[in-house]
Amino acid sequence: DTAVSQTPKYLVTQMGNDKSIKCEQNLGHDTMYWYKQDSKKFLKIMFSYNNKELIINETVPNRFSPKSPDKAHLNLHINSLELGDSAVYFCASSQDAGGGGAYTEAFFGQGTRLTVV
Amino acid sequence: QKEVEQNSGPLSVPEGAIASLNCTYSDRGSQSFFWYRQYSGKSPELIMFIYSNGDKEDGRFTAQLNKASQYVSLLIRDSQPSDSATYLCAVNADTGRRALTFGSGTRLQVQP
Repeated sequence: DTAVSQTPKYLVTQMGNDKSIKCEQNLGHDTMYWYKQDSKKFLKIMFSYNNKELIINETVPNRFSPKSPDKAHLNLHINSLELGDSAVYFCASSQDAGGGGAYTEAFFGQGTRLTVV
Repeated sequence: QKEVEQNSGPLSVPEGAIASLNCTYSDRGSQSFFWYRQYSGKSPELIMFIYSNGDKEDGRFTAQLNKASQYVSLLIRDSQPSDSATYLCAVNADTGRRALTFGSGTRLQVQP
């Protein structure tokens, strides 16, 4: 069974379109994330949700809107897609270590390669 | 200033040699340190984590942490061609921030 699964794996779309990426984890984790990996392989946090509550919202255009219907799911909706949005988007999850001190590792989904043309 | 810095490489080592990957971080409050391996076109997978100063060994991998110098490294002994990948250093600060900050990764090439 896949621990963190996201769909679709590939997404090619035209500028100006709206698209969504879905993510589900079956690990029972409390926290889920969206990361963006650019062409230089740099992984940058976009959003973090803990028990359906948004706790991190980095400097991301408000065209990006995450939604967490329950703690096992975190979706990403992107409006008015732009060429610069082309990247690989990774969903990840981790178990809340209770804040502070040691922090548990994040498990990643297989990624969604978004290409905006 | 980047929060987590790594040499982008490529680092090229012959098969059987020791590969040494280095990472520095800027936030002195960082508590947890992770090394991920990422093959081309794949997702990052955890190799090692370390929380305390010193060395931590797991098979052919050793993670080393020096909080005073804000430095963490990964040693891969008896390197194999299958170790060829990008290695990502990730850090979590003790600020209640529940997310990892990643370096840009070091590409390792193990030559047969």
